[in-house]
Amino acid sequence: QSALTQPRSVSGSPGQSVTISCTGTSSDVGGYNYVSWYQQHPGKAPKLMIYDVSKRPSGVPDRFSGSKSGNTASLTISGLQAEDEADYYCCSYAGSYTLDVVFGGGTKLTVL
Amino acid sequence: EVQLVESGGGLVQPGRSLRLSCTASGFTFGDYAMSWFRQAPGKGLEWVGFIRSKAYGGTTEYAASVKGRFTISRDDSKSIAYLQMNSLKTEDTAVYYCTRGSRYFDYWGQGTLVTVSS
Repeated sequence: QSALTQPRSVSGSPGQSVTISCTGTSSDVGGYNYVSWYQQHPGKAPKLMIYDVSKRPSGVPDRFSGSKSGNTASLTISGLQAEDEADYYCCSYAGSYTLDVVFGGGTKLTVL
Repeated sequence: EVQLVESGGGLVQPGRSLRLSCTASGFTFGDYAMSWFRQAPGKGLEWVGFIRSKAYGGTTEYAASVKGRFTISRDDSKSIAYLQMNSLKTEDTAVYYCTRGSRYFDYWGQGTLVTVSS
């Protein structure tokens, strides 16, 4: 059981938008603005897509955006493209008392 | 170009030890915290631990599942981070990744597979 809760799967057609949620607690997602999102294609290493809730690293398309409300963070992908099909993981800093970094279980995005 | 290359994985018997290395290039290694993650076959990502830069004391933090068995260290002169894994268990079987950072992880190595089996 992962510390953060994500839907197991989401899907959308090319050009559409999808949102992946990530629910934690006030000790992780809700307590810090240190939520990040990672994209992982099969057999590949994860790739940072969003950090500090809503910041995009250089080279990540602006179709990817992040937000947070209370204990739930969200990743929205607009203008879906075939290459967006991958697993997406959310991650949050959780303070050093119990566990520093927690992950969601991952969401499989299917582009129909 | 930032590169992280893990090495040292392989097949090991339960109870034995293994040391992974992460060789970095393309950035000033000593300025950054370095983290280790793992991913069991068909499963999600799990944080293993990290080591702070010397500027922040070079101290370490670990996940409860590995605390007391795994040790992270670094050699800034060689730009290498290490993951010493002792008393290995079958449930430690995973691809191990090294990454740059401690609160978000902007560069990842390709991973090295560790299989713990008799």
